[in-house]
Amino acid sequence: DTGVSQNPRHKITKRGQNVTFRCDPISEHNRLYWYRQTLGQGPEFLTYFQNEAQLEKSRLLSDRFSAERPKGSFSTLEIQRTEQGDSAMYLCASSLFATNEKLFFGSGTQLSVL
Amino acid sequence: DQQVKQNSPSLSVQEGRISILNCDYTNSMFDYFLWYKKYPAEGPTFLISISSIKDKNEDGRFTVFLNKSAKHLSLHIVPSQPGDSAVYFCAATGYGQNFVFGPGTRLSVLP
Repeated sequence: DTGVSQNPRHKITKRGQNVTFRCDPISEHNRLYWYRQTLGQGPEFLTYFQNEAQLEKSRLLSDRFSAERPKGSFSTLEIQRTEQGDSAMYLCASSLFATNEKLFFGSGTQLSVL
Repeated sequence: DQQVKQNSPSLSVQEGRISILNCDYTNSMFDYFLWYKKYPAEGPTFLISISSIKDKNEDGRFTVFLNKSAKHLSLHIVPSQPGDSAVYFCAATGYGQNFVFGPGTRLSVLP
C-alpha cells in the first residue's frame, strides 16, 4: 500500500518534553501538509511544503513547533517544551499540486501531554 | 472567525433514506470545495469535490450541490447505508488559499 504513513500512531509525553512525528507521503506527491485536530473540531492548518520548501506556516503556530521536509520526501514535525494544550491528533496529508488538488491523509498521530 | 461552517453537529437518518449535510462558507475567494469522511482513529478520506464553475457533481450515491450566491453547499447521500455512519467534513480552497475545513457533522445511519 502506498498511502500516507504516519509514525508513531500514539505518543504520550510529559509536559515540557520534546516530541517528533514523522510523515511519509505518497511517493509521487510534491506537496505535504500538516494539520492538527482536536475533539469536535475540523482539521486546522499548521504548515505545508512544496517539495522541500516550506511555503506557509499558520500564524497561530507557536515558535515551539517546527517542521522539515529534507530532500522533498518524508517530513518531520517537532514540538518543543510540550504543553497540555498541544494534546491533539496531528494529521499529515499529501497531494499532487494541480488544478482541483485533493489531499490524501494519513491515519494521524494522537499526542497526549500529561 | 470560521470561514467554513457546518451548523449541524450531528444528524440521524434511517437506512435507505436520504442524508443531507450542509456547509456554508464566508470567503468569496474559495472556488473549490471538497467533502471528506472520517471514521474513528483514521484520517479523513476524500469523498467528492466540486469546482465553482459547476453547481452539481455526482458520484454514485453521493451528490454535491453548490449555490455560489448563497455561499452554500450540500452533500446528498442516497440511499443512506449503515456504513455511511461517520463524521463528514466540508473543506474549501482557492487560489492562494489553504484547505480550510469545517467542524464536521456526525452522521448516524440507523438500521
